[in-house]
Amino acid sequence: KAGVTQTPRYLIKTRGQQVTLSCSPISGHRSVSWYQQTPGQGLQFLFEYFSETQRNKGNFPGRFSGRQFSNSRSEMNVSTLELGDSALYLCASSLRLTGTEAFFGQGTRLTVV
Amino acid sequence: GQNIDQPTEMTATEGAIVQINCTYQTSGFNGLFWYQQHAGEAPTFLSYNVLDGLEEKGRFSSFLSRSKGYSYLLLKELQMKDSASYLCAVVNQAGTALIFGKGTTLSVSS
Repeated sequence: KAGVTQTPRYLIKTRGQQVTLSCSPISGHRSVSWYQQTPGQGLQFLFEYFSETQRNKGNFPGRFSGRQFSNSRSEMNVSTLELGDSALYLCASSLRLTGTEAFFGQGTRLTVV
Repeated sequence: GQNIDQPTEMTATEGAIVQINCTYQTSGFNGLFWYQQHAGEAPTFLSYNVLDGLEEKGRFSSFLSRSKGYSYLLLKELQMKDSASYLCAVVNQAGTALIFGKGTTLSVSS
């Protein structure tokens, strides 16, 4: 079956712009989580959606937001981009998070200049 | 809050055995995952522990002690392709997030 698909794979934006990243989970998976990965901080949890509801949010500013659609596809948006937002953004899908494997997409590499 | 600690880097030689430790402090516990991530690729699932003890899967084994807040990943018969980052992650109390350690970069040499 198809894996988790993230688009775009690479993105270059300038400070102050906004960006929207997309994630299509594995068919039948209703939980989608987003993570930011940087060399210094590792993988940090952004938020998790289940059946269109945000169930949890990590410790990130309000500039980071997301949503999930009825087909479980998810988007995350970052407004007023800062240089420090440059990172690999990973999306993971699972049937339910507790006790089940989360499958990761290849990620979107965002560079803010 | 939650805190997860792993060594930053480890080195080993082909054919050897290596143990990567992970200690965690969490307000609740719903299981612990190990993931492998090669440079430039997505993390891939290795193991999941929710009860104390050892889970063996081929060359990889994972151990958990909930009372000690401790887990390890054991890699046997190391191969060059095992050079990667190994990520320890704990499921938060609500079961809605994976909290990751910063990862251990393993370098396997011949």
